Amino acid sequence: AQSVTQLGSHVSVSEGALVLLRCNYSSSVPPYLFWYVQYPNQGLQLLLKYTSAATLVKGINGFEAEFKKSETSFHLTKPSAHMSDAAEYFCAVTKAAGNKLTFGGGTRVLVKP
Amino acid sequence: DAMVIQNPRYQVTQFGKPVTLSCSQTLNHNVMYWYQQKSSQAPKLLFHYYDKDFNNEADTPDNFQSRRPNTSFCFLDIRSPGLGDAAMYLCATSRDASREQYFGPGTRLTVT
Repeated sequence: AQSVTQLGSHVSVSEGALVLLRCNYSSSVPPYLFWYVQYPNQGLQLLLKYTSAATLVKGINGFEAEFKKSETSFHLTKPSAHMSDAAEYFCAVTKAAGNKLTFGGGTRVLVKP
Repeated sequence: DAMVIQNPRYQVTQFGKPVTLSCSQTLNHNVMYWYQQKSSQAPKLLFHYYDKDFNNEADTPDNFQSRRPNTSFCFLDIRSPGLGDAAMYLCATSRDASREQYFGPGTRLTVT
């Protein structure tokens, strides 16, 4: 069975500072990995995805994530936080042979002025 | 723009009164999903349709049913809502080969 762990349910960053959200996965087969963002009372929006091509994946809104197989990690970063980045972020994994997403517990990001 | 649409965005129902939530998509995706999301939690998959094939999660209560009359539409029926069913309900779609899921804006269900 696959699982996803997001370290830190809440992260607080200052505007302009680095955003780092941690995600570790366990999977017996090469996974597909995703980061989604959810704003209050909205659905989930895909930020970026890893599908076994480049290990450094660039997404929307200035976010990027690096797949590290040796660390079973897929951490999400953004060099400079903006107030509009305040939201909940979910890491998710699916096996190449399936469609079902397994979500991490989510990390809520607070951006301080 | 191609999208996933959910109606209504907010739904209030009474304890035990059947309710139906609607999802439509213009993406022509063959897979459609229903998730339940409670406050400060990750979405929980209830079931999904792979084309016309219905796939129920093992722990989805019998109280929850779904219909997919055509490729574009999918419905979530809650036969007898309880207070514990109050949540955000998210519809998502995917094309099999691409894996990523596209989510609608959700319907927030309140049970009084």
